[in-house]
Formats: sequence, C-alpha cells, structure tokens
Amino acid sequence: EAGVTQFPSHSVIEKGQTVTLRCDPISGHDNLYWYRRVMGKEIKFLLHFVKESKQDESGMPNNRFLAERTGGTYSTLKVQPAELEDSGVYFCASSQLNTEAFFGQGTRLTVV
Amino acid sequence: GIQVEQSPPDLILQEGANSTLRCNFSDSVNNLQWFHQNPWGQLINLFYIPSGTKQNGRLSATTVATERYSLLYISSSQTTDSGVYFCAVTNTGKLIFGQGTTLQVKP
Repeated sequence: EAGVTQFPSHSVIEKGQTVTLRCDPISGHDNLYWYRRVMGKEIKFLLHFVKESKQDESGMPNNRFLAERTGGTYSTLKVQPAELEDSGVYFCASSQLNTEAFFGQGTRLTVV
Repeated sequence: GIQVEQSPPDLILQEGANSTLRCNFSDSVNNLQWFHQNPWGQLINLFYIPSGTKQNGRLSATTVATERYSLLYISSSQTTDSGVYFCAVTNTGKLIFGQGTTLQVKP
C-alpha cells in the first residue's frame, strides 16, 4: 500500500511568485493535515481536512495560503504571493479517525 | 492549547550507549506519537502510544497518560539512530509537536 506522497520534493521560487504543493494521502484516510517546519523550529499545524471539508484552519498564517481538497482525495496548498518567511518544509499527513497519523516525505520550499 | 516539552534538547552518545528521551505534555491526550526525522528530512513513525508500553527492536516507549509524560528508550545506539526525535500529541486530531531532541551517535 502506498504511503502519503508529496510533490514536489523541493521547490525554489522567487519572492512574489506562486507555488502549489500537492499531497496524496493514504487511500481511505478521510483526515488530511498540513504542517510546516520553518527555519528548524517546531513543526506547526496549518490545517485539517475531513474528506473535502476544512475541519480546522486555525494554523494558516495568512490569506496568502489557500488549501483545497476537491473530491476528498488529494490536496493542494497554494502560496500566492510567496514571501521569504514562507521558506521551510511543508508536511502532509493522513489518518483514519482518531488513529495514527502518517506523514509524507515533505516539500522543501525555498523562497529567494 | 496543549504544551509539549521534550528533553534533553540535544544529546551526544557513543555508539552502543543507551538513552532515554522524555516528552511532557500539559493536558490529557488521546493520541501520542514518536517520530524520527532522518537526515533526508522524512518523519518516520516510531510509535503510536497514547498509553502503555511498546517495543520495536532496540527502541521502546512508555506513556503514563495520568502523569502526562512519555519516554522513548534507545538501547545499543547506532550511528543510524542520529537525527531529531519528535514527540507529538493531540486530543482534537491535529498533532502538537514538541521542539524535538537532536541525537548524535558517534562511532
């Protein structure tokens, strides 16, 4: 069974550009989460989908970040326009209800 | 929200040594997980352990939910054990991470 996959693994963009990250959760997992680790600091929660609905988006830093999960399968996280402080590693995780979460390999975003 | 504290922040061991990493949390939880972030940045699941004790090879973990802490034991450490170990907890679904313990195992 495939794990959580994220694409791309690395992205380098200029300040002001747009980047879209993609996450494919484990099949059958209704819960999908986005997290990020900035500048070697703690891993912070961004938002939580249950199927296609946003359950909790309290961790989204500002309105430059837009997450979608159309059809309740894969999810995208778009940053527009990107700023220098958005650099970091973005992780996606999926789980069934109230069970162990499994993480993707992460997308390393560098904004220059 | 829940606060998670891990100790020690940094740990240097000689290969073959044993170690104990600690995770304290400030509220009751229904999920606790330990992860190892490898040199490639991947978060590898070690244990899903909201309570009790589990063992997997040289690693074991114990969570005492009533006292709000968890311990990760690494025995006979190897250089491949190096990396950052994270504890994460939740009572709502979203995981709250500790700041991690950076382990370096020297040959």
